[in-house]
Parts: sequence; structure tokens; C-alpha cells
Amino acid sequence: KQEVTQIPAALSVPEGENLVLNCSFTDSAIYNLQWFRQDPGKGLTSLLLIQSSQREQTSGRLNASLDKSSGRSTLYIAASQPGDSATYLCAVTGLGSNYKLTFGKGTLLTVNP
Amino acid sequence: SQTIHQWPATLVQPVGSPLSLECTVEGTSNPNLYWYRQAAGRGLQLLFYSVGIGQISSEVPQNLSASRPQDRQFILSSKKLLLSDSGFYLCAWSVGPLAFFGQGTRLTVV
Repeated sequence: KQEVTQIPAALSVPEGENLVLNCSFTDSAIYNLQWFRQDPGKGLTSLLLIQSSQREQTSGRLNASLDKSSGRSTLYIAASQPGDSATYLCAVTGLGSNYKLTFGKGTLLTVNP
Repeated sequence: SQTIHQWPATLVQPVGSPLSLECTVEGTSNPNLYWYRQAAGRGLQLLFYSVGIGQISSEVPQNLSASRPQDRQFILSSKKLLLSDSGFYLCAWSVGPLAFFGQGTRLTVV
């Protein structure tokens, strides 16, 4: 059974810092990995999707990497801003799973002005 | 463009009462549809998914059921709510690998 772990559970940084969020998964037979953002009491917004054959994806100040063989992904946020404060969730889609997502518990990020 | 509607946004229901949460998708055909629940400290858990009309798969045994009466409509139901059904319920759809989520329903069972 796939398990996804996110470290740290919470992170507080001053504005302007670069930061890294970590995600690990136990079964490397994945179709893809996605990073989501969730604001309090809201739904999920997809940030980046990395196919299993890819190593990284970039969108603006966000860069996500994937090392499928070791079961790890990182989300790098450059020059953090208070508006980046949210919970960041990592999820993997298993092969042959009808695109069902297995989520980690998330990292609660607070960027202080 | 594709959009997903989920309602209501919040709901407070007494124990033993019925439940019906509705989710509709616009702008796409034959999507995969999903119901997830987010409980405090437990992360997002997949409850049900559907690959077509009338096709429902349950991921975990529970007090809830799901139905898909139309291609782009997904309903989460219960005949009698339990306290443990409280949580944040999210509907999602996908066509291929990218998933899109609704804004969620905060259910509090009292």
C-alpha cells in the first residue's frame, strides 16, 4: 500500500527566504506526482505535476523535483512571500489506479513579513 | 474551460440525520470523479471514485455511499450521520493525470 510522507509538518520562515519542502513515497510504481496548495477552508489548487519520466518541473518561483527510484520529491520555493502561506500537499498517482491520488498530510507554511 | 461546483460550502447536521452533498463538473465529458475526506491530522483520504455513470468504487468501508446519476454529477450520501463523519469533503475530477478539486464542504455532525 502506497504511503506518502511530508516533512516538515510545519515551517515558519521570514519573507524572502528560499525554502524546500520534502515528500517521500514508499512505492515507486507511480504514474506521476503532484504538488497542491490549500488555503484554509478551501479546496486544492494544483501547482506542479511531474510525470514519472521527468526529473523536474518549474512554474515561476516554484521548482519541483522527482527522484522516482528513491521515492522522493522536493518543492523549492524561491524568494518566499507572505502570500505563499498555505498548506502544501504532495500526492502520487499509482500505475493502473484510475488516477486515484494518495496524499501526504501536508506541510503548513507560514511566511512572516 | 472546465469548472467544478460543489455545495453546500458548510453544513451542520445532527447525528442520525441524512446527508446529500452534490458535485457537478462543466466543460468536460466522461471525467473520472472522486470524493475525498480531509479529517484533522489525517490528511486527505479517498472515499469513492467513479469512471462512468453508475460505476462507483468504494475505497474504505464507512457510513457513506456515492452515486453518479449523470456523466458530470457525483453525489455523496448517508442515511444516518455519525459524529465520526465530520470533516472536510472534497470532490475532484480528472481526465488523464491532472486532477482538479472543488472548494469543499465543511460538515460538522453535532
